[in-house]
Amino acid sequence: ETGVTQTPRHLVMGMTNKKSLKCEQHLGHNAMYWYKQSAKKPLELMFVYSLEERVENNSVPSRFSPECPNSSHLFLHLHTLQPEDSALYLCASSQDTRVGGYTFGSGTRLTVV
Amino acid sequence: GESVGLHLPTLSVQEGDNSIINCAYSNSASDYFIWYKQESGKGPQFIIDIRSNMDKRQGQRVTVLLNKTVKHLSLQIAATQPGDSAVYFCAENSEGNAGNMLTFGGGTRLMVKP
Repeated sequence: ETGVTQTPRHLVMGMTNKKSLKCEQHLGHNAMYWYKQSAKKPLELMFVYSLEERVENNSVPSRFSPECPNSSHLFLHLHTLQPEDSALYLCASSQDTRVGGYTFGSGTRLTVV
Repeated sequence: GESVGLHLPTLSVQEGDNSIINCAYSNSASDYFIWYKQESGKGPQFIIDIRSNMDKRQGQRVTVLLNKTVKHLSLQIAATQPGDSAVYFCAENSEGNAGNMLTFGGGTRLMVKP
């Protein structure tokens, strides 16, 4: 374990379902990120939170809705997804802006059917 | 966890040989660089980093070289082992980047032959 824990590890959902991905870090980091890693594209930044405030939203469809209730937890709420949303969703955290790199979780492998 | 299906450059080396993985970046303002390793079923793991005021940094069996003139970064792995088989990503950041957002390269797949 890297210190960033993601659940579930695997998720299969229908296009009409609503589900949530969870990320938790106890590293004392202040910034958290959601990335999408698919078979057709490299790592894509989706959302960035710094001190629980969203600082970046990279034109992500509204069917993805992030939530950061505190600096240790990050959620990605999913609803009415499409098959092309199937991918590995990675959460990462970093200590602060401009300090070091990211610590990644192991990801949630999402399959939309 | 790797980008299965994505056409990644692949480097195939014999166990015990040295490996060199290259990365080109485009932002001349980038001043911080990282190499990540991603094994199957896992997220990317930090390997080594380097700031732009250096041109070389060494870790355990790994060396990162930075050539700012041609905007090129390389990762050298000495005495490559089967456990080094993975996808390797370079990432860059610059002082002007708000929120510490790294920009990731597409990755290179390293395959180690026993």
